[in-house]
Amino acid sequence: DAGVIQSPRHEVTEMGQEVTLRCKPISGHDYLFWYRQTMMRGLELLIYFNNNVPIDDSGMPEDRFSAKMPNASFSTLKIQPSEPRDSAVYFCASSLSPDYGYTFGSGTRLTVV
Amino acid sequence: QQQVKQSPQSLIVQKGGISIINCAYENTAFDYFPWYQQFPGKGPALLIAIRPDVSEKKEGRFTISFNKSAKQFSLHIMDSQPGDSATYFCAANGRKNSGTYKYIFGTGTRLKVLA
Repeated sequence: DAGVIQSPRHEVTEMGQEVTLRCKPISGHDYLFWYRQTMMRGLELLIYFNNNVPIDDSGMPEDRFSAKMPNASFSTLKIQPSEPRDSAVYFCASSLSPDYGYTFGSGTRLTVV
Repeated sequence: QQQVKQSPQSLIVQKGGISIINCAYENTAFDYFPWYQQFPGKGPALLIAIRPDVSEKKEGRFTISFNKSAKQFSLHIMDSQPGDSATYFCAANGRKNSGTYKYIFGTGTRLKVLA
């Protein structure tokens, strides 16, 4: 298995632009998680899905952030409009169970200028 | 109640030495305690994990010690190697009152093993 695949690896965008991050989880993993990592706040859970259904989105910072999982093999995290404070590394992870080990992707480094 | 406190923030160890990283939690509802290893430019990778029904788990050079009464757990890396140089995160997971799960990650320890 190729693991959790995220794209793009790096994204530089201007403030106000829409940004879409993509994730392909490991086949057979029913749970998908989106995390954000910054020096100041560490690893923060934004949202997680079970069988393509959003279960907990309490970590989504504000309405500018949205996430979808249209099928078991694809998820997106969208920021519209983007702001400089959104600059961070965004990770997608998947798992067989929410109380088990997670497999993380290599992340997307987002820079909003 | 949702915090996991990790220490030290950074650690320098000689090759062959023992690296020890500590974590403390507050919420007794946590029932899964993993450790993750992260190299620069990569995502965290699961290293080893423990559940509260055991006090110790060992996998190769990596050992978790768990103290349920003190609400503390630690990672020991025996015979530390330069290749172990990475950032280590502890985490605690448990079911919230809402029925959803949430990992709480520690703030990370940057380990450097000197050759």
